[in-house]
Amino acid sequence: GAVVSQHPSRVICKSGTSVKIECRSLDFQATTMFWYRQFPKQSLMLMATSNEGSKATYEQGVEKDKFLINHASLTLSTLTVTSAHPEDSSFYICSARRDSNYGYTFGSGTRLTVV
Amino acid sequence: SQQGEEDPQALSIQEGENATMNCSYKTSINNLQWYRQNSGRGLVHLILIRSNEREKHSGRLRVTLDTSKKSSSLLITASRAADTASYFCATGRGANSKLTFGKGITLSVRP
Repeated sequence: GAVVSQHPSRVICKSGTSVKIECRSLDFQATTMFWYRQFPKQSLMLMATSNEGSKATYEQGVEKDKFLINHASLTLSTLTVTSAHPEDSSFYICSARRDSNYGYTFGSGTRLTVV
Repeated sequence: SQQGEEDPQALSIQEGENATMNCSYKTSINNLQWYRQNSGRGLVHLILIRSNEREKHSGRLRVTLDTSKKSSSLLITASRAADTASYFCATGRGANSKLTFGKGITLSVRP
């Protein structure tokens, strides 16, 4: 199968600090990964598409300087929440797909709490 | 923006009963997928149906797709308490396209 590992699963940080979340495809190469945000009892909202070796594509309304994405290898994408504020507290989930014959595989998510 | 709209938003059934969840979408698609999410966890892919398919089965799951009505249904037969979760439909366009998720359905299966 296709396995995506996301780390950390939970993080609490102080307001103003930065937090990095990692997303790894363990048994396949992913030229594209996706980052989502989910508020309690709500659906997933796509934040950005992470492209290996090039700049990420951000969805409308998502601040690229706030949510830095790096996809330096075919198996790793990182999302850095810079200068975090309490309103950034949310559940962040990444996903990737092995190929078009598969559904998307999601990481287990990261619960970010900014205090 | 969200494309998929599931109904009902919440469903409570007795163990052993069948659960039917519906999803409607607005634009043309290449495929439609159903995912499951347990509280506070990531999503698990359940089943993918392509735009040229009308019905697909996987174990206790049966999904249908009606592209003329832009709708899909997910049927879980002989439900179990462990099926309690949120279920999302998501539509995809293109070979490596981003997914657009519906709002989700909360399914509760009473033992």
